[in-house]
Amino acid sequence: AQSVTQLDSHVSVSEGTPVLLRCNYSSSYSPSLFWYVQHPNKGLQLLLKYTSAATLVKGINGFEAEFKKSETSFHLTKPSAHMSDAAEYFCVVTHSGTYKYIFGTGTRLKVLA
Amino acid sequence: DSGVTQTPKHLITATGQRVTLRCSPRSGDLSVYWYQQSLDQGLQFLIQYYNGEERAKGNILERFSAQQFPDLHSELNLSSLELGDSALYFCASSLSGKMDEQYFGPGTRLTVT
Repeated sequence: AQSVTQLDSHVSVSEGTPVLLRCNYSSSYSPSLFWYVQHPNKGLQLLLKYTSAATLVKGINGFEAEFKKSETSFHLTKPSAHMSDAAEYFCVVTHSGTYKYIFGTGTRLKVLA
Repeated sequence: DSGVTQTPKHLITATGQRVTLRCSPRSGDLSVYWYQQSLDQGLQFLIQYYNGEERAKGNILERFSAQQFPDLHSELNLSSLELGDSALYFCASSLSGKMDEQYFGPGTRLTVT
């Protein structure tokens, strides 16, 4: 079985400060993990993906995520938040033994001026 | 622009009616997914097709059906519509449908009155 838990439903940061969005996963096989961003009334956009290559994955717009097998985590970070980062972020897990992708419940990021 | 197109963008209809939502995947992608997103249920996976065949099923109601055609476009049919079916419906596509990233369309906003 596989599952994904986004530990915070809402995160607020000030512009220019670091962003940390937390994601824990459970998977019976080696997972593939993704982060997506959704701006209001828009479709989801892929930020980055992990597929068993480097454990530190760099994505678009300055985001990166680190795969930590021992902690079953795949947290999303950005050194300095920008107002345009305000959106909802989804962590997603899948693996080679299934066709199903499991989406987290999302974390809404608010960036304060 | 993800390369996934969805029509129509907006749809307003009455309870009891039937509607069809259309999706064209990115060029070269063989797999299509349908999702429903509402405020109370969040993002729900409905169904996945790969090269015309149903591959995975999620929380799709019996009143809903989908198919993928030989040219790989897909249609989601919603019948006997209820107020609770009002939501954003997203289509996504991916190359193989297993462990690869999905690209999302802009969505169809369905309002049932």
